[in-house]
Amino acid sequence: SAVISQKPSRDICQRGTSLTIQCQVDSQVTMMFWYRQQPGQSLTLIATANQGSEATYESGFVIDKFPISRPNLTFSTLTVSNMSPEDSSIYLCSVEPPPPGALGYTFGSGTRLTVV
Amino acid sequence: QKEVEQNSGPLSVPEGAIASLNCTYSDRGSQSFFWYRQYSGKSPELIMSIYSNGDKEDGRFTAQLNKASQYVSLLIRDSQPSDSATYLCAVIPGGGADGLTFGKGTHLIIQP
Repeated sequence: SAVISQKPSRDICQRGTSLTIQCQVDSQVTMMFWYRQQPGQSLTLIATANQGSEATYESGFVIDKFPISRPNLTFSTLTVSNMSPEDSSIYLCSVEPPPPGALGYTFGSGTRLTVV
Repeated sequence: QKEVEQNSGPLSVPEGAIASLNCTYSDRGSQSFFWYRQYSGKSPELIMSIYSNGDKEDGRFTAQLNKASQYVSLLIRDSQPSDSATYLCAVIPGGGADGLTFGKGTHLIIQP
């Protein structure tokens, strides 16, 4: 399965600032996904990022708050903008392993964000 | 709203017994189903995937799918203390979606 490097692993940020999270995959993948896991909760899909096109956002998530870049088939970034304490969560990237439809989705190690 | 429901637990099972984890989903068009294990402070790890009705076995793990009842389960045989974790049921909804919809997870505790 694909190996995903995600960074930073954790950060403490001031409210009103922005943080960019990076996700690097060791193989080319068509789709990359960004999830949020709030404290004590399950994972919620934020958006799907395909290379060369605009990210597709799930209900409740908007591009101005969570801009995503996908410059090539192995890399993506998620920015959490104008942060508030409610954004304190673990953010995870995920990929579908090649070929499409294979076993399942692999996750990065996550970014634990605390907003103070 | 496409939902995945799980009993949050905790589910306490003696070591060596069978742990049974259940999941229901609301979207009848769902085609792909996954079980992930998540240890505290770690990212989810894929345990099983299942796409067809019936049982799928992999070592101590058996996934069961019943699309008519919209029900997925995971059995863990010969439970070990290292199986203590939160188990997340995940579904790819129908309608062309690609990302996963997760249940809230079941916290499993294996008692030595």
